[in-house]
Amino acid sequence: DAKTTQPNSMESNEEEPVHLPCNHSTISGTDYIHWYRQLPSQGPEYVIHGLTSNVNNRMASLAIAEDRKSSTLILHRATLRDAAVYYCILSNTGNQFYFGTGTSLTVIP
Amino acid sequence: NAGVTQTPKFQVLKTGQSMTLQCAQDMNHNSMYWYRQDPGMGLRLIYYSASEGTTDKGEVPNGYNVSRLNKREFSLRLESAAPSQTSVYFCASSLLRGPGSNQPQHFGDGTRLSIL
Repeated sequence: DAKTTQPNSMESNEEEPVHLPCNHSTISGTDYIHWYRQLPSQGPEYVIHGLTSNVNNRMASLAIAEDRKSSTLILHRATLRDAAVYYCILSNTGNQFYFGTGTSLTVIP
Repeated sequence: NAGVTQTPKFQVLKTGQSMTLQCAQDMNHNSMYWYRQDPGMGLRLIYYSASEGTTDKGEVPNGYNVSRLNKREFSLRLESAAPSQTSVYFCASSLLRGPGSNQPQHFGDGTRLSIL
């Protein structure tokens, strides 16, 4: 099964953009790329997902490399409430999710 | 809206005891999932139910059984709890299962289970 690789931790200053990278070099043609985030003592929360094209929503943007072997989650202006663990996930045709260990984002006031 | 509700929120068991974790969703979703999360790790899929009446194994099914009671409810049972099953358990649901595999999953807040 395809796996994802993310940095263990990142820091960002409040109100600055944040680029969270993810490598998924073994992605198959039908795998979707999902991003979720998890606050302490809560379940994961959906952020964004995509297949081939870049995607935007009210929370974030998702930039997908042309070869689909990597992607970047972009938070346009980090707030303190964005401090969380961010997971880059691949889903197969059965909609089964394969979580990695995620990136712990610290937002500095 | 309640979304995905898990009960109980916390539980302590002794080795060998049995336990059923309950999950219910009120979003009329077809697919439901059970995950476990160990400290410092991402979630791992235990079992899933693509639709009412069907269940399938995920990555780590050993030591667990599931029941899709109806469209709303999906329970996870530990028949003989072991310390290695100490974890946080999350239930999730999604509107549809593949082939599109583009459906977000909605998660509950978890059940924290300790086995002594």
